[in-house]
Amino acid sequence: GAGVSQSPSNKVTEKGKDVELRCDPISGHTALYWYRQSLGQGLEFLIYFQGNSAPDKSGLPSDRFSAERTGGSVSTLTIQRTQQEDSAVYLCASSLFGGGDEQFFGPGTRLTVL
Amino acid sequence: GNSVTQMEGPVTLSEEAFLTINCTYTATGYPSLFWYVQYPGEGLQLLLKATKADDKGSNKGFEATYRKETTSFHLEKGSVQVSDSAVYFCALSGQGAQKLVFGQGTRLTINP
Repeated sequence: GAGVSQSPSNKVTEKGKDVELRCDPISGHTALYWYRQSLGQGLEFLIYFQGNSAPDKSGLPSDRFSAERTGGSVSTLTIQRTQQEDSAVYLCASSLFGGGDEQFFGPGTRLTVL
Repeated sequence: GNSVTQMEGPVTLSEEAFLTINCTYTATGYPSLFWYVQYPGEGLQLLLKATKADDKGSNKGFEATYRKETTSFHLEKGSVQVSDSAVYFCALSGQGAQKLVFGQGTRLTINP
C-alpha cells in the first residue's frame, strides 16, 4: 500500500513569505506527527495529532508555525513570515495508534528560505 | 526532559568489519527505544525497536539490547556491508508520551 506522502518535495521561498507543507498519512493511521531535520538542531519534534484530541503543539518553535489536520487525515504545516533559520527538511510521520507504535516517515519537504 | 546521546560520526569501516554505534538515554519511567536508518536519498525507516528492559531488537543482521541498568541501546552488527552505508538515529518514546526524541545521528560509511 501507499506510504506517507508529502508535497512539495522541495520549496524555495523568500524571507517573509508564508509557506504551506502538506502531508498525506497512511490510510487508517490515527496518529500524525511533524518533525524538522536541520543541520544545527538534528531531528526535532514539532506537533502531534491523535484522532479528535487536541494536538500536542509543544515542539512548535514560534507562533509563526501552525498545523491542522482535516478530517483526521491530511495535514498542513504552515509557516508564516519565513526566516532563514526555518530552512530545514520537514518530515511527516504517521502511526496506527500512537504511543510507542512504529512511526512511518514520509520523504520530507526540503524548505529553503533565501 | 528526555534525551538521547549517540556516538558522533562519521564512522568509516571496511566491509565485513564489526560495527558498534553507542547510544545512551535519559528518561523517566520505561521508554521505548528505537533505531531508525536513513539511506542516501531515502526517508527515515525503522530498523529495530525494544519496548522493555532486556528486550533485544533485531533486523537485517543488526541488534540492540535495551539495558536499563546502563541506560543504553547500542547498535551492533557482526559483519557490515557496503549497502549498510547510511545515517543511523537512536530514538526514544517516553512512557505515556507520543513523540520521538532523536539522537544527533551517526553517518556510517562502509568501504569495499
